[in-house]
This record gives sequence, C-alpha cells and structure tokens, in this order.
Amino acid sequence: AQSVTQPDIHITVSEGASLELRCNYSYGATPYLFWYVQSPGQGLQLLLKYFSGDTLVQGIKGFEAEFKRSQSSFNLRKPSVHWSDAAEYFCAVGARGGSNYKLTFGKGTLLTVNP
Amino acid sequence: EPEVTQTPSHQVTQMGQEVILRCVPISNHLYFYWYRQILGQKVEFLVSFYNNEISEKSEIFDDQFSVERPDGSNFTLKIRSTKLEDSAMYFCAGTGDSYEQYFGPGTRLTVT
Repeated sequence: AQSVTQPDIHITVSEGASLELRCNYSYGATPYLFWYVQSPGQGLQLLLKYFSGDTLVQGIKGFEAEFKRSQSSFNLRKPSVHWSDAAEYFCAVGARGGSNYKLTFGKGTLLTVNP
Repeated sequence: EPEVTQTPSHQVTQMGQEVILRCVPISNHLYFYWYRQILGQKVEFLVSFYNNEISEKSEIFDDQFSVERPDGSNFTLKIRSTKLEDSAMYFCAGTGDSYEQYFGPGTRLTVT
C-alpha cells in the first residue's frame, strides 16, 4: 500500500526567506508524485507533478520539487517566500499505470509567513 | 481553462437524511473520483469511477455511499443516511490523457 509522510505539521518562515517542505513516500516502484496547495476553505490547486524524466520539476508560483529515488523523497522548495504563499501544502502519490489512479495524500504542512 | 465544478458549495443536513453531492467534470475526462477531507485532517480517497463502473473504493465507501454518472456530464455522490461523522469537505476530481487529477472546489457537508 502506498503512503506519504510529511514530517512537518507547521512551518513558519519570514517573507523573503527560502522554503523547503519535506515529503517521503512508500511505494513499491516510482509513483506519480504531486504537490497541492490549499488556502483556508478552498479547494486543492496543483502546484507541480512528477511522472517521469527530469527529477527536478518546476511548478507554478515559483515552486520546484526534486524527486530523489534513493531517499523516496519529493521535497518542495521555493527560493523566496511571499506572504501570499501562506496556506496548507499536501504531498500526494498515485500508483503508476495510466490515467486511472487514486491519490494518497500526506497529512499536510501548514505554512505561516511572517512579514 | 476548463474547470471542475461542484454544487452545492455548502450543504447542511440532519442526521439520517439522504444527500446528493453533484460534480460536473471537465468534458474530456474519462476517470472520476471522490475524496473527502474531515476538518483539520488529510484528504482521503473514497472511490474511483470509469466507464460507468466503480473501479476502486476505499474502506470508507460503505453501503451508505453510491456514485453514478446519470447523464454523461454530471457525476454524483449519494449518502443514503448521513451520520455526524460524514461531516467533511467532499472533493470531486477527474483525469484525462494528461494524467493530472483536476479537483473541484469542494462541497462542505455539515450533518447536524
């Protein structure tokens, strides 16, 4: 069974500082990997995805993530955080094998940005 | 850009009542999903649906739940007899050829 661990429940950074959100997964092979962002009371917005190929993927809003097979990790990074990035971030994995797959989500990391 | 839509945005119902949550997926999507998120918790998979059949369901998706695609555009989740613990945000999602799952904005279900 696939699973996702986001070890940090809550992270606080200052505006302009760099950010790294951690994600580790458990899966028998290389899964599909995703990061979603959720603002309070809102839906899930896809930030970026990894299906195959280059292990460093670029997403929207200046985010990037790096897939490291040896560490079963897919950490999310941003070089300079903006106040509008305050939200909850979810890492998710999907079983590889086509367009029909369920997503398994981590518990999320709540990001607070200080001015 | 096409979007997944869900109605209603908020549904309040009494325990034991039936509710139907509605979703209109992106038109060229083939695979459809329901997820739920209890307040403060992670998003959990409920069910996937393809070619008018359930392809996978979680242990949460018991006999009180059902899904259907009644008219080729809508995708519905029905809860026959709601319980307090069904209170959650319910998200519809879909995938097409691009493999990305696109989520709707969610329906907040409150069971009193």
